[in-house]
Amino acid sequence: QKEVEQDPGPLSVPEGAIVSLNCTYSNSAFQYFMWYRQYSRKGPELLMYTYSSGNKEDGRFTAQVDKSSKYISLFIRDSQPSDSATYLCAMRVVKYGNKLVFGAGTILRVKS
Amino acid sequence: EAGVTQFPSHSVIEKGQTVTLRCDPISGHDNLYWYRRVMGKEIKFLLHFVKESKQDESGMPNNRFLAERTGGTYSTLKVQPAELEDSGVYFCASSQGRPGAHDEQYFGPGTRLTVT
Repeated sequence: QKEVEQDPGPLSVPEGAIVSLNCTYSNSAFQYFMWYRQYSRKGPELLMYTYSSGNKEDGRFTAQVDKSSKYISLFIRDSQPSDSATYLCAMRVVKYGNKLVFGAGTILRVKS
Repeated sequence: EAGVTQFPSHSVIEKGQTVTLRCDPISGHDNLYWYRRVMGKEIKFLLHFVKESKQDESGMPNNRFLAERTGGTYSTLKVQPAELEDSGVYFCASSQGRPGAHDEQYFGPGTRLTVT
């Protein structure tokens, strides 16, 4: 069983839609939860991170962590064609160092 | 400020040959990481340097892979001899090294390795 599960998509939505991206995980020791965005032929770029449970908002993006359910989400409001990319969740256990454990990534396409 | 750079961007080699990938981290970043994404799979951790020392090499797949970071600046990842299953995108990342806080890793664009 993979430590982090993420539906690879692709997810196709119209411009302006609210997008929900999700990951589940099996290791209850994960403490940091991150969302990366990756455009084609580029490296992953950190969008947001959350420590432990709760919500975090940054502009059109909201990250949620539910540790009791081992479930994390990223919501994108008013989606734009420029949001079309692969979205990767990643997690880390502090005592295991800086090693990131990634989900497979979800391909998002926002149609204008 | 320049980001993480990787060279080459793409390499095509035959099975059994040797390839060396290079990563230049962001200036001043003590931490350097190598990750790999094999086709259809998730990005997986290979190893982590703090300056010139290997902090964690638990993700290195086998002894055909050798990573170095002489002088604590740039790093190389050598694959010798290359096998078909080594094909994928190799990412390098670097971070400042901030104990007790989130230490953001900045990723390079990756080197796409194709072994034929």
